[in-house]
Amino acid sequence: SYVLTQPPSVSVAPGQTARITCGGSDLETKIVHWYQHKPGQAPVRLVNGDSDRPSGIPDRFSASTSGNMATLTITRVEAGDEADYYCHVWHTHAVFGAGTQLTVL
Amino acid sequence: EVQLVQSGAEVKKPAESLKMSCKASGYVFTDYWIGWVRQVSGQGLEWVGMVYADGSHARYSPSFQGQVSLSADKSTNTAYLQWHSLKSSDSAVYFCARLRLYDAFDVWGQGTILIVSS
Repeated sequence: SYVLTQPPSVSVAPGQTARITCGGSDLETKIVHWYQHKPGQAPVRLVNGDSDRPSGIPDRFSASTSGNMATLTITRVEAGDEADYYCHVWHTHAVFGAGTQLTVL
Repeated sequence: EVQLVQSGAEVKKPAESLKMSCKASGYVFTDYWIGWVRQVSGQGLEWVGMVYADGSHARYSPSFQGQVSLSADKSTNTAYLQWHSLKSSDSAVYFCARLRLYDAFDVWGQGTILIVSS
């Protein structure tokens, strides 16, 4: 079965840039979607691999894919960005990464 | 405003049945599919499956095939996730989410907590 690999945690100071990676075979042939999930809330769609963002999502959130790696970049990190972040692709079925917990120091 | 409102928390015993719901509003229901995603406490998101809004097509994750049933009623703009015989391992939060086929889950419900315990 298809696997997406994310680091379990990333830590960053406020105002700095956070990069969360998502690895998978032939990832550049797929569209990678990213979600933010805070405890007790519904997940929120953030951005996809072409940095296509829904309205209301700040442009501090961007995404890119190269080779077998996708990256979610969060610039000017704020305390409110602390959450779990998941990547997702379609490989016949929906596949989610295991999630990355972002800690704002 | 596009919204998905899910049914309330459930506490069930093993072997009992359950049908939880996800009611959509604010958009043309039949323009989208409804997907279901499970989150076991302390773990990540896991795709259960998805159903087309008129109920005519459903696709399941191999992990959930035969374990759950997905349906939808376009007359009430509601999708359903059903179990015929619950197990304690089904305990989790279940989210519904709107999507176009093979696209992003772009709007999510608030989640339904399911506890299965004797």
